Amino acid sequence: DTAVSQTPKYLVTQMGNDKSIKCEQNLGHDTMYWYKQDSKKFLKIMFSYNNKELIINETVPNRFSPKSPDKAHLNLHINSLELGDSAVYFCASSSLRVNTEAFFGQGTRLTVV
Amino acid sequence: EDQVTQSPEALRLQEGESSSLNCSYTVSGLRGLFWYRQDPGKGPEFLFTLYSAGEEKEKERLKATLTKKESFLHITAPKPEDSATYLCAVQTGANNLFFGTGTRLTVIP
Repeated sequence: DTAVSQTPKYLVTQMGNDKSIKCEQNLGHDTMYWYKQDSKKFLKIMFSYNNKELIINETVPNRFSPKSPDKAHLNLHINSLELGDSAVYFCASSSLRVNTEAFFGQGTRLTVV
Repeated sequence: EDQVTQSPEALRLQEGESSSLNCSYTVSGLRGLFWYRQDPGKGPEFLFTLYSAGEEKEKERLKATLTKKESFLHITAPKPEDSATYLCAVQTGANNLFFGTGTRLTVIP
């Protein structure tokens, strides 16, 4: 059973399109995250979200928006895709109740052409 | 400003040649320091959490240590399957993880 799963694994799309990446966790965690990993393998947090609070990294363009239909899902919507959005996007989850580690999904490689 | 720096950027070792990876940090309100391993095409996989200076944790050939300013990941007698990128991350009061840029380890048979 995959703890944190993302779909799709690969996404190729044209500039200007709108796309979504889905994320689901079955760990019962109350906090979920989206990270972006650039070509130099640097992982940078984009959002963290629990049922009470959305924390947005101020450097993230407002074309990116997280949507959480329930506690186990946090989807990432991207509008008007740009070439610079090409990267690997990782979903992760953790528990807020104790200082536990975050579990990561396998990543979605987004290529904007 | 919170900062995490890892060194070296890349490391090549012969099988059996022990070494250490460094993670230096300057953060306010450190809640924990995490080590992850990332294989190509996969997400980071959790290795260790360290919470206070002087703490040490071990797993097989890996040992992580923590001081007030840095953490080391010691690799004893590495094998080719230890080849991966090792990521250090600090958790702050906001409960977010701030990652370093990683050390890409290659172990040559």
